[in-house]
Amino acid sequence: DGGITQSPKYLFRKEGQNVTLSCEQNLNHDAMYWYRQDPGQGLRLIYYSQIVNDFQKGDIAEGYSVSREKKESFPLTVTSAQKNPTAFYLCASRMGLAGNNEQFFGPGTRLTVL
Amino acid sequence: DQQVKQNSPSLSVQEGRISILNCDYTNSMFDYFLWYKKYPAEGPTFLISISSIKDKNEDGRFTVFLNKSAKHLSLHIVPSQPGDSAVYFCAASMNRDDKIIFGKGTRLHILP
Repeated sequence: DGGITQSPKYLFRKEGQNVTLSCEQNLNHDAMYWYRQDPGQGLRLIYYSQIVNDFQKGDIAEGYSVSREKKESFPLTVTSAQKNPTAFYLCASRMGLAGNNEQFFGPGTRLTVL
Repeated sequence: DQQVKQNSPSLSVQEGRISILNCDYTNSMFDYFLWYKKYPAEGPTFLISISSIKDKNEDGRFTVFLNKSAKHLSLHIVPSQPGDSAVYFCAASMNRDDKIIFGKGTRLHILP
């Protein structure tokens, strides 16, 4: 049963703490993405990775970090430097440049900073 | 500067009628367009796409129309069903670039 999983579904963190959001896919997709969704803002790209051990900043990378040590995993760390971290975070994957541009999304993680 | 614009934050349509969601874009280099549907607290799901070499693509109740000269695309849903109530995102990309640019979404309400 292929797909993208994100855990946990809900996450609470105290201000000033770093937190890591998990994203795993078993679709054998090359590319993976992180977005955040805020009310009325649509989806904004944080980081993306086309291949293992490589990633690029998206439009709102400040205060975030990622790693891509394995093809199936693309964890996102929300650092204390992110000024407004409370949001709904979405991970997505895509087959690669040889395929179409369709991205498959995970169920999301809602992060709340207390 | 928004490259993909969905100017209607919300839309209400009677069940059984046609829903028309609109999207405008500014970058003439975009050559691939997608529509996603999203329920609250879930990830978006892909609905339908269209390449810039076409002006129409149909999949069941969903049809996407592309007007390149006007830099405008629309999603038609007919007939509209209660399960269609969701937020719809328009998205675009260029040259099979790995990035997709999303609009802010339109919330569709299907009325009984």
